Amino acid sequence: QQQVKQSPQSLIVQKGGISIINCAYENTAFDYFPWYQQFPGKGPALLIAIRPDVSEKKEGRFTISFNKSAKQFSLHIMDSQPGDSATYFCAATSTITNTGNQFYFGTGTSLTVIP
Amino acid sequence: DVKVTQSSRYLVKRTGEKVFLECVQDMDHENMFWYRQDPGLGLRLIYFSYDVKMKEKGDIPEGYSVSREKKERFSLILESASTNQTSMYLCASSFGGRTYEQYFGPGTRLTVT
Repeated sequence: QQQVKQSPQSLIVQKGGISIINCAYENTAFDYFPWYQQFPGKGPALLIAIRPDVSEKKEGRFTISFNKSAKQFSLHIMDSQPGDSATYFCAATSTITNTGNQFYFGTGTSLTVIP
Repeated sequence: DVKVTQSSRYLVKRTGEKVFLECVQDMDHENMFWYRQDPGLGLRLIYFSYDVKMKEKGDIPEGYSVSREKKERFSLILESASTNQTSMYLCASSFGGRTYEQYFGPGTRLTVT
């Protein structure tokens, strides 16, 4: 059973456009929602994260929007650049239980930004 | 900078061979993790360790074992490799109180023929 559902599986965006990746979860005990970015040949790296007490978090061109009632969160990449081409993973966990086997990744979105 | 290194970037093994994947971190992290990454399935946790000699099963531990004799080193062992274990294997580490901030190695692409 997939704890975090992510869509789309792949995404092609023109340079300068907005890339949007969506995730949904069911477990209301989750209280930390990070996004990881993975370039080809590299391991994933933490990009940005949000807690459910805020509805939005912005870091540069990357924004997480969080809808607690719908149990959904999304990553928006504004002014997408070819260098943003990577695989993006959403994730969810509980910082209270804080156990390593309750950290769940989505299935990933392969983003391609066309020049 | 946190550095997580994995012993091999690419590995080709035969069915039935015993395979060792090694991971070393240099940040004195308490937690270490082994994931498997497959297209369309994301990252799935195989095992994690929260201290030396301590381990917990993840979602897909079958066919794998782990060893952590030193804090900085976490090994994944495939006792008898099979073709369905062909995959990308990722190691990660984190501080004990921050399992939600994991640092990943570059991965090992294992092919079992």
